[in-house]
Amino acid sequence: AQRVTQPEKLLSVFKGAPVELKCNYSYSGSPELFWYVQYSRQRLQLLLRHISRESIKGFTADLNKGETSFHLKKPFAQEEDSAMYYCALSGRGSGTYKYIFGTGTRLKVLA
Amino acid sequence: DAGVTQSPTHLIKTRGQQVTLRCSPKSGHDTVSWYQQALGQGPQFIFQYYEEEERQRGNFPDRFSGHQFPNYSSELNVNALLLGDSALYLCASSLYHRGQVTDTQYFGPGTRLTVL
Repeated sequence: AQRVTQPEKLLSVFKGAPVELKCNYSYSGSPELFWYVQYSRQRLQLLLRHISRESIKGFTADLNKGETSFHLKKPFAQEEDSAMYYCALSGRGSGTYKYIFGTGTRLKVLA
Repeated sequence: DAGVTQSPTHLIKTRGQQVTLRCSPKSGHDTVSWYQQALGQGPQFIFQYYEEEERQRGNFPDRFSGHQFPNYSSELNVNALLLGDSALYLCASSLYHRGQVTDTQYFGPGTRLTVL
């Protein structure tokens, strides 16, 4: 079955603490992995994608094909990081155009 | 650039009715995807339109249909509404490059549909 699993609905951390948002996927093929973020009263937007191998707002994510994971990490959380985070995969690399999203993790960064 | 726009913002319908939601893609984009997001869930892929045709479909019944116009805007139609169709409907646009293996989705603000 094709799915994206985000095991935590809510993650609370203190400002300055490290953050790790977990994402595991199940997909037969070569998916492209993404993290999307939704800040309060804003629309869903791309945070980063695995092929870019970049750091955005201090966040990084490494694709681990062996463990089928794409966890999102940041060494020092900031209050402005509080938002809803969705892990997603695209089947474009396998010839389909389907996008699959996880159920999301709400990150709360406490002062 | 206003980005992806959707109309209406909110809609209330009763069971059995039909509804049409509209989406204008980001300037320069040619592909539109529709998603259903129920409360507490992630977006669920309904279908994608490219070159005025449905290119890919998710696990949704035929009551869900769509259309893409020559200016790339799109409509989502839902017939015989059920209570379970109550959700936020998101439209996302992207630009298709043949051979490109990744497509970033740009989302609209959504249309909140309530079925009574």
